[in-house]
Amino acid sequence: EAEVAQSPRYKITEKSQAVAFWCDPISGHATLYWYRQILGQGPELLVQFQDESVVDDSQLPKDRFSAERLKGVDSTLKIQPAELGDSAMYLCASSPPGGRGTFFGQGTRLTVV
Amino acid sequence: GEDVEQSLFLSVREGDSSVINCTYTDSSSTYLYWYKQEPGAGLQLLTYIFSNMDMKQDQRLTVLLNKKDKHLSLRIADTQTGDSAIYFCAETRDYKLSFGAGTTVTVRA
Repeated sequence: EAEVAQSPRYKITEKSQAVAFWCDPISGHATLYWYRQILGQGPELLVQFQDESVVDDSQLPKDRFSAERLKGVDSTLKIQPAELGDSAMYLCASSPPGGRGTFFGQGTRLTVV
Repeated sequence: GEDVEQSLFLSVREGDSSVINCTYTDSSSTYLYWYKQEPGAGLQLLTYIFSNMDMKQDQRLTVLLNKKDKHLSLRIADTQTGDSAIYFCAETRDYKLSFGAGTTVTVRA
């Protein structure tokens, strides 16, 4: 069964350092999302791509976060510099044309110390 | 904060039915979803319902939708220990998912 792949599963970094997460969506899914989930809350959208284009990054803290999907397939989310408040689960998701169902990866658990 | 609202906790005896409730805000949502999240894992899509339906059944899962009241529920029949998890309701808004805070379901023997 096709899955959204994410790496790493866990990341511990010191504040002010740079950190990057990678995501490979399900093959054929043109829409890719990055969500952030703080402990005890539901996921919140950071950025949405349609192919290689950003369609919504209104909730992305652009002073420190960046996201790219250069060839319209896999994607990288970067934080520089990391802050203590960035500690969370970062979830990548993708959906097929027609948008029936959004499928999530296992997430990257980030701890900033 | 979330506009999708769910009760935070549900405790149910093994073998009983669980009912998780959700209210949403956007009457134009095309699809409404239920996701399951186990500790330390991502979200697993359990089921979804199209907005022109009022019920959908999938094995042990039954989804009921009341569009007038913007109320969605998920019923799990014959609840098992493996059903212990956090369950998220989500609505589509501008082609994006908006989630509730999740309902933690605990199954007791």
